[in-house]
Amino acid sequence: AQSVTQLDSQVPVFEEAPVELRCNYSSSVSVYLFWYVQYPNQGLQLLLKYLSGSTLVKGINGFEAEFNKSQTSFHLRKPSVHISDTAEYFCAVSDKAGNQFYFGTGTSLTVIP
Amino acid sequence: EAQVTQNPRYLITVTGKKLTVTCSQNMNHEYMSWYRQDPGLGLRQIYYSMNVEVTDKGDVPEGYKVSRKEKRNFPLILESPSPNQTSLYFCASRPGTSGLYEQYFGPGTRLTVT
Repeated sequence: AQSVTQLDSQVPVFEEAPVELRCNYSSSVSVYLFWYVQYPNQGLQLLLKYLSGSTLVKGINGFEAEFNKSQTSFHLRKPSVHISDTAEYFCAVSDKAGNQFYFGTGTSLTVIP
Repeated sequence: EAQVTQNPRYLITVTGKKLTVTCSQNMNHEYMSWYRQDPGLGLRQIYYSMNVEVTDKGDVPEGYKVSRKEKRNFPLILESPSPNQTSLYFCASRPGTSGLYEQYFGPGTRLTVT
C-alpha cells in the first residue's frame, strides 16, 4: 500500500513571494505522483503529474514539482504567487496499475495581499 | 462539454433512510471512482470501477455500495446512512485503466446525515 504525508496543513504567503508545499510518500512499488488544486466550492483539478523521466515536472499556472526518489518527496513550488492561487492543494500517489489512489490531507495555501 | 456530473449537489437526510448519489460522465471513460473528503483527512477512496460490471473496494468501503451497469454511470448507494457518513463526496473518471491517465472530478455532493 501507499501513503502520502503533506507536512503543512496551512501555508500563508505574501503575494509575489515564492512558495513550497511539501509532500512525502511511502510505497514499496514504483508509483505515479500527482498534485491537485481545489478552489473553494469546486472539484479537484490536476496541476501536474510525475510519471517517469525528468524529475522536474512543470504544470499549469506556473507551478512545478520535483520528484526526489531517495527522499521519497514530491514538493510543489511556485516562484511568485498570486491572490488567485489561494486554494487547497492535494498531493496524491497511485501504483502503476492505477487502481487505487491515495491522497494527502491537503495544504491550505492563503496568499496575502 | 466534457464533464462529470453529480446529483444531488446538496442533500440532508436522516439516519437509516436509503439514498443514492448519481454520477455520470460523457467522455466514454473506462475508469470511475468515488471519494469522500473530510477535514483533516483529505480524500479517501471508497470504491472504483475499471469497467462495466467490474468494481472493487477502495480504502473506506464500509457502509457504501456501488454498481456499474452502464459505462457512463456509477451511482453510490448508502443503504442505511449514519451520521459518520456526513461528508463531501466526489466522483471521478479517467479514460484508461492505467495510472498514466488524469482523473477528472465532478463538482461534489455535500451530504449531511442527521
